[in-house]
Amino acid sequence: EADIYQTPRYLVIGTGKKITLECSQTMGHDKMYWYQQDPGMELHLIHYSYGVNSTEKGDLSSESTVSRIRTEHFPLTLESARPSHTSQYLCASSTGTPPTDTQYFGPGTRLTVL
Amino acid sequence: AQKITQTQPGMFVQEKEAVTLDCTYDTSDQSYGLFWYKQPSSGEMIFLIYQGSYDEQNATEGRYSLNFQKARKSANLVISASQLGDSAMYFCAMREGPWAGNTPLVFGKGTRLSVIA
Repeated sequence: EADIYQTPRYLVIGTGKKITLECSQTMGHDKMYWYQQDPGMELHLIHYSYGVNSTEKGDLSSESTVSRIRTEHFPLTLESARPSHTSQYLCASSTGTPPTDTQYFGPGTRLTVL
Repeated sequence: AQKITQTQPGMFVQEKEAVTLDCTYDTSDQSYGLFWYKQPSSGEMIFLIYQGSYDEQNATEGRYSLNFQKARKSANLVISASQLGDSAMYFCAMREGPWAGNTPLVFGKGTRLSVIA
């Protein structure tokens, strides 16, 4: 089981603010992912990384950006938060060869933009 | 087209009974992986069980088993001896090949399981 951490767990913020959601894992996993999930709905991939200095956009268009400067760290940034960004954001990591690599998830960040 | 279909938005089961959560998938790849995750009300996603497309045996993990019917493209999750703590959302997911590709993990819409005492 992976040890993967997300901070903050809950965030309420005003429109127009810049925010960064933190995600760290201690297992040395090469792959990391960000998903967005509205309440009671399925997860949608918004960003992923297959290693340091590698980032890709997922299948759901997102105004957020990510960086992967260190293996263990994969922060997500919103330059100007809007109410439409209100959602839960889940970070995950995995290692191994697709399609068999199992993704392990962090506890999530519930973001509310007023 | 929906890659993962979970037709049961909600299910109820009596404590200590077994329950089957349905999942069908759509892919033209020969190599793929199927996953089940549990999401309690606290929000985290907990990995339960994995089945590879080339695995001949159905996967089992404790009280969880996966009823894999490749020809029917179904991968149902069976939970035996349900417990109150099993009440949660359950998501079926699929990852397609190729081995070195960047294909994402695609999730179904989930099934909310409620275990009744």
